Amino acid sequence: KQEVTQIPAALSVPEGENLVLNCSFTDSAIYNLQWFRQDPGKGLTSLLLIQSSQREQTSGRLNASLDKSSGRSTLYIAASQPGDSATYLCAVGKAAGNKLTFGGGTRVLVKP
Amino acid sequence: GAVVSQHPSRVICKSGTSVKIECRSLDFQATTMFWYRQFPKQSLMLMATSNEGSKATYEQGVEKDKFLINHASLTLSTLTVTSAHPEDSSFYICSARAQAPGNTIYFGEGSWLTVV
Repeated sequence: KQEVTQIPAALSVPEGENLVLNCSFTDSAIYNLQWFRQDPGKGLTSLLLIQSSQREQTSGRLNASLDKSSGRSTLYIAASQPGDSATYLCAVGKAAGNKLTFGGGTRVLVKP
Repeated sequence: GAVVSQHPSRVICKSGTSVKIECRSLDFQATTMFWYRQFPKQSLMLMATSNEGSKATYEQGVEKDKFLINHASLTLSTLTVTSAHPEDSSFYICSARAQAPGNTIYFGEGSWLTVV
C-alpha cells in the first residue's frame, strides 16, 4: 500500500526566504506526482504535475523535482511571499487518471 | 479550463438526517469520479471511486451503507451521508477524471458538512 509522507508538517519563514518542501513515498511504481496548494477551508489548486519519466517541472517561482528510485520529491518556492502562505500537498498516482494518494501536507506561513 | 462544481459548498444538518452533496463536471464528461474526506488539519483520504453506471468502489473502512454514492450520468456524481452524526462533520472533496486528453483529474472546491 502506497504511503506518502511530507516533512515538515509546518514551516514558518520570513518573506523573501526560499521554501523547501519534502515529499516521500514508499512505492516507487508511480505514474505521476502532483503538488497542490490548499488555502484554509478551500479546495485544491494544482501547482505542478510531474510524470514518472520526468525529473523536474518548473512554473514561475516554483520548481518540483522527482527522484522516483529513492521515492522522493521536493518542491522549491523561490523568494517566498506572504501570499504563499497555505498548505501544500503532494499526491502520487499509480496509473493514468487513477486515484491519488495524498501526503499529510505542509502548512506554510510566510511572515511579512 | 475544465471545471468541477460541488454543491452545496456548506451545509448544516441535524444529527440523524441525511444530506446529499453533488459533484458535477461542467465542460467535460467524467466516467470516473473520486470522493475524498478531509478532517481539520489532516490530509485528504479517499473514500470511494465512482464509475458511471456501476456501483462505487469503497476504500477499506468506509461504510458503503452510510455513504451512498450514485454516478448516474457522465457529468454528475452524488454522495449522500445517511443518518449523519457529528463525527461525520468534515470537508468532502470530489475529483473527476476527464476522458481526454491524458485522463487529467480535476478537483472540486469542496463541501463543508457540519452535523449538529
